Amino acid sequence: DTEVTQTPKHLVMGMTNKKSLKCEQHMGHRAMYWYKQKAKKPPELMFVYSYEKLSINESVPSRFSPECPNSSLLNLHLHALQPEDSALYLCASSQVRGLIGEQYFGPGTRLTVT
Amino acid sequence: AQKITQTQPGMFVQEKEAVTLDCTYDTSDPSYGLFWYKQPSSGEMIFLIYQGSYDQQNATEGRYSLNFQKARKSANLVISASQLGDSAMYFCAAPRFQGAQKLVFGQGTRLTINP
Repeated sequence: DTEVTQTPKHLVMGMTNKKSLKCEQHMGHRAMYWYKQKAKKPPELMFVYSYEKLSINESVPSRFSPECPNSSLLNLHLHALQPEDSALYLCASSQVRGLIGEQYFGPGTRLTVT
Repeated sequence: AQKITQTQPGMFVQEKEAVTLDCTYDTSDPSYGLFWYKQPSSGEMIFLIYQGSYDQQNATEGRYSLNFQKARKSANLVISASQLGDSAMYFCAAPRFQGAQKLVFGQGTRLTINP
């Protein structure tokens, strides 16, 4: 099974709302990633979890809060977002060692902040 | 640190023709890897092919192959016998440094296959 699933597919939220994005993989990967992608741009790394511990935070604003409850699940909690946070949010997973760049991505959540 | 350059913002190719997507890189690491990803309009990034700097042969995966020229620091993706389903955004990427979990992406090339 090489599938990474993400829910919801689309999300519209106001600037005062709290919402969460969810990601799940069952490939036994112990590294999981959150990316943000604006239209016509490459993905930008936000967070990396290795063995369920946060290993990289790319100076992401605190209104984005990641969580890795277990080795298969990754959440991104959203609170008090700004309109410029509207983007495609991609989750990915990979091995922790070896061919780390071979990442498997989910279909993404298209987020609109109003 | 790695830097990736893709100089073709868009390409238009007739169905069944071969297409080459350019990628150049700039690293001082002695060992590195280069990855190509495809992103259809649906949004999902799909891993296509990998080339290691010490690999003796160019990587191939089905209709995808890499034209890896180490001296020129280029790793161009070649798609043979293009199909309508190949229309997508293509990104070249590499770890920021050897062993890094962060990938550095090029700006991408939008490939359109015409019937």
